[in-house]
Amino acid sequence: ETGVTQTPRHLVMGMTNKKSLKCEQHLGHNAMYWYKQSAKKPLELMFVYNFKEQTENNSVPSRFSPECPNSSHLFLHLHTLQPEDSALYLCASSQGAGTGSTNSPLHFGNGTRLTVT
Amino acid sequence: AQSVTQPDIHITVSEGASLELRCNYSYGATPYLFWYVQSPGQGLQLLLKYFSGDTLVQGIKGFEAEFKRSQSSFNLRKPSVHWSDAAEYFCAVGSDDYKLSFGAGTTVTVRA
Repeated sequence: ETGVTQTPRHLVMGMTNKKSLKCEQHLGHNAMYWYKQSAKKPLELMFVYNFKEQTENNSVPSRFSPECPNSSHLFLHLHTLQPEDSALYLCASSQGAGTGSTNSPLHFGNGTRLTVT
Repeated sequence: AQSVTQPDIHITVSEGASLELRCNYSYGATPYLFWYVQSPGQGLQLLLKYFSGDTLVQGIKGFEAEFKRSQSSFNLRKPSVHWSDAAEYFCAVGSDDYKLSFGAGTTVTVRA
């Protein structure tokens, strides 16, 4: 149990489908993050939410749409994806969105393995 | 802009032997440095972190890392590896505005 739970673990979708990834954290943290992990590439930060407010959108295409209804839940809505979007999508949380000033490292979920066909 | 380089893509080490993973960073101010480990099918788990103070940092699972400002390095070490240490290891640097930059990772294989 990592404290950060992601569902589903695996997802296969066509390019015309609409699906959503879900993340829930049980750590009482205030910040939540979406990262994309592609093979042999550095993790890419996609979105950051701090106290439910989006504070970072790292030039992510609009076919990815995040939603953060409260500090414990984070969604990533997907539509009209491309095959190059296939990757492991990792959710993370931290006490606050400030790894230095708050001395709060990231806690990661186990990820959703997404395959776009 | 901050960046992290992990020069070794893949390292193979015998069980019981020592392990050292290299990490070099580029950052304009005092960095916040992290090492994470990822086992197959899992998310990333924090091994250790450096914010300030003693440049030799102890982490979980018997790992340690040393911050060397003059070399812009934060290498990870373990004196004696176990088969369960086979995983992918990521170095990361953080800035005051919380954006973590990760390296591309080093895969460690442990042979019996």
